[in-house]
Amino acid sequence: QTVVTQEPSLTVSPGGTVTLTCASSTGAVTTGNYSNWFQQKPGQAPRALIYSTSNKHSWTPARFSGSLLGGKAALTLSGVQPEDEADYYCLLDFGGVRVFGGGTKLTVL
Amino acid sequence: QVQLVESGGGVVQPGRSLRVSCVASGFTFSDYILHWVRQAPGKGLEWVAVVSFDGTIKYYADSVKGRFTISRDNPKNTVYLQMNSLTTEDTAVYYCARGYDILTGDYWGQGTLVTVSS
Repeated sequence: QTVVTQEPSLTVSPGGTVTLTCASSTGAVTTGNYSNWFQQKPGQAPRALIYSTSNKHSWTPARFSGSLLGGKAALTLSGVQPEDEADYYCLLDFGGVRVFGGGTKLTVL
Repeated sequence: QVQLVESGGGVVQPGRSLRVSCVASGFTFSDYILHWVRQAPGKGLEWVAVVSFDGTIKYYADSVKGRFTISRDNPKNTVYLQMNSLTTEDTAVYYCARGYDILTGDYWGQGTLVTVSS
């Protein structure tokens, strides 16, 4: 089965910028993979942030943005806040079958 | 407001079956596709299955194909996940989430815990 790979962990300073990536074992991620990004904090259900590569939900803070970067899906946080410390997951669509990445644990320090 | 409420979790022995349900409210149920996603204790999210608006098209993760069946009852605003031949690897919190073609999971339930143990 297709494997989706994310950085296991990243650390960023408050106010800084960080980019999380999401790669596919089948090749370059494209707009046709409709990448979605989710944030999950301990004990909570996931919260949707980005859909279809770069579209924000009405509740998504402006500091979060999605894109394609070097054949991967990417989530960029600009002006990181302490409350952004969480696990982040990407999800890719492979013609109906979806696959999550392993998640990135983001530490704000 | 949009709500998704899962139920039916519990402790089940390996090899047995269990059905979990998710009741939706606050939106037109038949306008959305429905997903099941699971999360084993201390692990990441794993997509499990999706069902189309009318229930005719279904996709599954390889790990559950042939053992799990997703279905929906639009008049009852409910989506189901029938789980057969359960193993300890199926122990997880099971979430339902709604979406459409380019969007997965704008709203999620709080999950129901399934524990497979002898």
